[in-house]
Amino acid sequence: EVQLVESGGGLIQPGGSLRLSCAASGFTVSSNYMSWVRQAPGKGLEWVSVIYTDGRTYYADSVKGRFTISRDNSKNTLYLQMNSLRAEDTAVYYCARDRVDTTMVWYFDLWGRGTLVTVSS
Amino acid sequence: SSELTQDPAVSVALGQTVRITCQGDSLRNYYASWYQQKPGQAPVLVIYGENNRPSGIPDRFSGSSSGSTASLSITGAQAEDEADYYCNSRDSSGNQFVFGTGTKVTVL
Repeated sequence: EVQLVESGGGLIQPGGSLRLSCAASGFTVSSNYMSWVRQAPGKGLEWVSVIYTDGRTYYADSVKGRFTISRDNSKNTLYLQMNSLRAEDTAVYYCARDRVDTTMVWYFDLWGRGTLVTVSS
Repeated sequence: SSELTQDPAVSVALGQTVRITCQGDSLRNYYASWYQQKPGQAPVLVIYGENNRPSGIPDRFSGSSSGSTASLSITGAQAEDEADYYCNSRDSSGNQFVFGTGTKVTVL
């Protein structure tokens, strides 16, 4: 079955660090563009980061310099290392598979169920 | 960074048609994709590209675009279509992405 399963969320104090994992099955993470998207409680979706097949990474301005996206090809797993966490980082974090048909057509066709990160003292 | 603006909420009578719009400068260069999200669930892709539906998405969902506006239409809305809908596209830099503000669709 093709699926994504996130883990690693939890309660963390402001300034702390957390690493989220996204285990993929049914397809190869390294052969796909992969993203993280988050949703604060009661709020809309916010794109966080993407990793390209060639390893290039890009981030939303709100997390640049604090978050790092990576992957482990041997484990077929995507990661999000989150440092210097703030209360405003509290959200459900989803990993998603990107599809790129052309430079004009880019979309997220497969999503995990998400993992909740709560930043609070 | 770019922004995508959607109406906060719309309502539609059962079996009627509703159109949700998404406005933003990035849509002049990139197609929007559309996602349906029901409470407590992950988003689901419903439309991408010019007007493409993933497998399993009913044909009552359709998309269109003109200039800086993309639209999602539900023709013959059903009770199960009640959800939040988000548009998304690459932003003007090409290496970031932006989601719309979201539209809550209520089926009366």
